[in-house]
Amino acid sequence: GDSVTQMEGPVTLSEEAFLTINCTYTATGYPSLFWYVQYPGEGLQLLLKATKADDKGSNKGFEATYRKETTSFHLEKGSVQVSDSAVYFCALDNYGQNFVFGPGTRLSVLP
Amino acid sequence: GAVVSQHPSRVICKSGTSVKIECRSLDFQATTMFWYRQFPKKSLMLMATSNEGSKATYEQGVEKDKFLINHASLTLSTLTVTSAHPEDSSFYICSARAPFDNEQFFGPGTRLTVL
Repeated sequence: GDSVTQMEGPVTLSEEAFLTINCTYTATGYPSLFWYVQYPGEGLQLLLKATKADDKGSNKGFEATYRKETTSFHLEKGSVQVSDSAVYFCALDNYGQNFVFGPGTRLSVLP
Repeated sequence: GAVVSQHPSRVICKSGTSVKIECRSLDFQATTMFWYRQFPKKSLMLMATSNEGSKATYEQGVEKDKFLINHASLTLSTLTVTSAHPEDSSFYICSARAPFDNEQFFGPGTRLTVL
């Protein structure tokens, strides 16, 4: 079945450091890919998405590019802030079926 | 963007009682809603898929009689945890699929604590 793998962390960075959270997937066909963010005690918020190969999703300084050849959708940000501390989930949606989530990566940004 | 609400946001109940959690799509009609459970520091686990006007489809290992799901209208789905026990304590999140672009929108979650 479909699956999503991502680095579990925790990831601890200093403010203004560069962030990369790796995400790879296994799926039949061409799923849509997502990154969600969950702040402490809250639900999930869509951070960005890409629906086809080579699409780049971006939001709030975060970016991820849909790489079909490597089945990856790595999340990057050039300069993280303390307010970015949260758990980040990579997910896929294959033709309107249910979502498949990765295990989540906890990010802590220190001032 | 589309908004999904959940009520209550937090609930504490005694063991053996039942708890109902509501999930509403506020500005769109959702033919399909999903219920997830999240254990502490873990990812989301899909519990069931709820289609308006029909019985919910439960994932393997999820007790149908324990977690009753009703999707009575295009904007409301409810999850009832029956005869709750401490091991049912968890964070429950719903999502609704939007018909216009097939995207899922997530509710803010309900934290259930069973004493």
